[in-house]
Amino acid sequence: GENVEQHPSTLSVQEGDSAVIKCTYSDSASNYFPWYKQELGKRPQLIIDIRSNVGEKKDQRIAVTLNKTAKHFSLHITETQPEDSAVYFCAAIVLTGGSYIPTFGRGTSLIVHP
Amino acid sequence: DAGVTQSPTHLIKTRGQQVTLRCSPKSGHDTVSWYQQALGQGPQFIFQYYEEEERQRGNFPDRFSGHQFPNYSSELNVNALLLGDSALYLCASSLGRALNQPQHFGDGTRLSIL
Repeated sequence: GENVEQHPSTLSVQEGDSAVIKCTYSDSASNYFPWYKQELGKRPQLIIDIRSNVGEKKDQRIAVTLNKTAKHFSLHITETQPEDSAVYFCAAIVLTGGSYIPTFGRGTSLIVHP
Repeated sequence: DAGVTQSPTHLIKTRGQQVTLRCSPKSGHDTVSWYQQALGQGPQFIFQYYEEEERQRGNFPDRFSGHQFPNYSSELNVNALLLGDSALYLCASSLGRALNQPQHFGDGTRLSIL
């Protein structure tokens, strides 16, 4: 399987609802898990990250949770707004071909309907 | 405070040609990583440059090479271009060679191979 799997691929919500995107990773030695937001035609922007020594981190409407035992981490967006519409990518540093490299999920297209 | 800048923004080449893409890191950053992002996919790590040397490399052939200059700027070179090399090439900068540091992306170079 893939080193970093991301679900769902598409998420459609109504404005004000919560959105949750989940990623799983294969390497138990991974210790850094960033989330990026990429609007159409723009650069990926780091929105939040978490390290393996904490289980949860919040920044206003955005939070990330990490379950090291189960090897998964999730992005939570509360009170969604139309401007939250974008593609969200998770990433982890995983062992690939003998080297630890940043590995991204395939992305989740979040659509927030006004 | 200048962010990550890349040039050119768009480029069209034909199969078999060679291309050079350029990146200037965010002010204060000393490490540059290059990624390839195919349409609808997450960024794929090509390699990282720190102290003018390639430090980590992803699963890309030797046709992909790079360079870092004393001012921390970097170039990505791709030889013998294939149709499958068509993608958005992103540069990201960070502070220090550790991969578990926040990365700041540029707007990318859109490379089209005819």
